[in-house]
Amino acid sequence: GQQLNQSPQSMFIQEGEDVSMNCTSSSIFNTWLWYKQEPGEGPVLLIALYKAGELTSNGRLTAQFGITRKDSFLNISASIPSDVGIYFCAGHPSGGSYIPTFGRGTSLIVHP
Amino acid sequence: NAGVMQNPRHLVRRRGQEARLRCSPMKGHSHVYWYRQLPEEGLKFMVYLQKENIIDESGMPKERFSAEFPKEGPSILRIQQVVRGDSAAYFCASSLVGSYNEQFFGPGTRLTVL
Repeated sequence: GQQLNQSPQSMFIQEGEDVSMNCTSSSIFNTWLWYKQEPGEGPVLLIALYKAGELTSNGRLTAQFGITRKDSFLNISASIPSDVGIYFCAGHPSGGSYIPTFGRGTSLIVHP
Repeated sequence: NAGVMQNPRHLVRRRGQEARLRCSPMKGHSHVYWYRQLPEEGLKFMVYLQKENIIDESGMPKERFSAEFPKEGPSILRIQQVVRGDSAAYFCASSLVGSYNEQFFGPGTRLTVL
């Protein structure tokens, strides 16, 4: 099946620092999604991207749909302790699949 | 709270018993998806249902697992004769018709098989 490579696997940062993570695929995707999952909870949709080159913000979060349609990036500016969690990328491969493929997640720890 | 509801949140079963996981979608959503998550892994698709209809069950094991979404009531994921390898977090998501891109997830059921 489809594989999404998400990196880094984990990040340990100081409060106030900016964070960048990315997701790459070997094939073209029509949609990129970024979710955040906190311990003991389900994933929460942060940002959805639908067009190549699209740059979308949600507060301190900004995500981009790569021009090649094979990657996406998520940036968090001025991190705060409540940003802690696991961030998952997900995407819908071209061909009209309604089932998203998920990356393995980036675990973010923010030190106050 | 009009979010996706799942119960129980935690379920402990002994090998060979049955596990029933329930999911009530968000109000107005008629599509339900079930996913399984192992520790430090992403979510793996299992099954996609509409009311009274299974759309895609390509991710669900052929044996012991079944799912339904009746006309009335929650969607049920049923695991018969559970084994230790079934221990995982099971998440349900729901979406509006035609909005599969934006699925809203429930809090999950953590299944532990002893």
